[in-house]
Amino acid sequence: SYELTQPLSVSVTLGQTATITCGGDNIGSRNVHWYQQRPGQAPVLVIYRDSHRPSGIPDRFSGSNSGNTATLTISRAQAGDEADYYCQVWDSSGGVFGGGAKLTVL
Amino acid sequence: EVQLVESGGGLVQPGGSLRLSCTASGFTFTNNWMHWVRQAPGKGLVWVSRINGDGTLTTYADSVKGRFTISRDNAKNTLSLQMNSLRADDTAVYYCVKWAEGGTWFDPWGQGTLVTVSS
Repeated sequence: SYELTQPLSVSVTLGQTATITCGGDNIGSRNVHWYQQRPGQAPVLVIYRDSHRPSGIPDRFSGSNSGNTATLTISRAQAGDEADYYCQVWDSSGGVFGGGAKLTVL
Repeated sequence: EVQLVESGGGLVQPGGSLRLSCTASGFTFTNNWMHWVRQAPGKGLVWVSRINGDGTLTTYADSVKGRFTISRDNAKNTLSLQMNSLRADDTAVYYCVKWAEGGTWFDPWGQGTLVTVSS
């Protein structure tokens, strides 16, 4: 079955840029989606189809996908961006999520 | 506004059964595949099951195949998950999620309902 690999944790200084990666075999050939999950809350879609933002998501959030790595970039990081971030693809076996990366804003 | 509201979670003994429900509003329910995704305490997201718009196609994760049954009542805009032979490792928050029309992402998510399997 297909697997996605994310770093356990990522730190960013307030106002700087955070980069969260999602690794998978030839992931660039797949559509990758990203979710933000704040503590005690349900996940929220922040990027779909590699780089598209749903309405209501700030343009500080962006995504890219190529080769074996998809990337979620959060510019001008804010305290409210502290959360777990999950990447996701669809596979023949079902939905596949990365293990999640915890973003800490220092 | 699209809303998904889960119910039915609770404490159940190992080997027991539980039925979760999800009431949907704000969109044409019959047009969308619906899914269940779960999250064990302190752990990541795990896809569980899906069902197509008219209820004729279902898919399950290997971990729940043969024990869980997904269904829907389009007249009542309700999605269900019948869980049998529950095990301790089924303990999780279960989320009802809408699959994007023409896409492979999940949006939105319900608030989740907690299932605890313990003696």
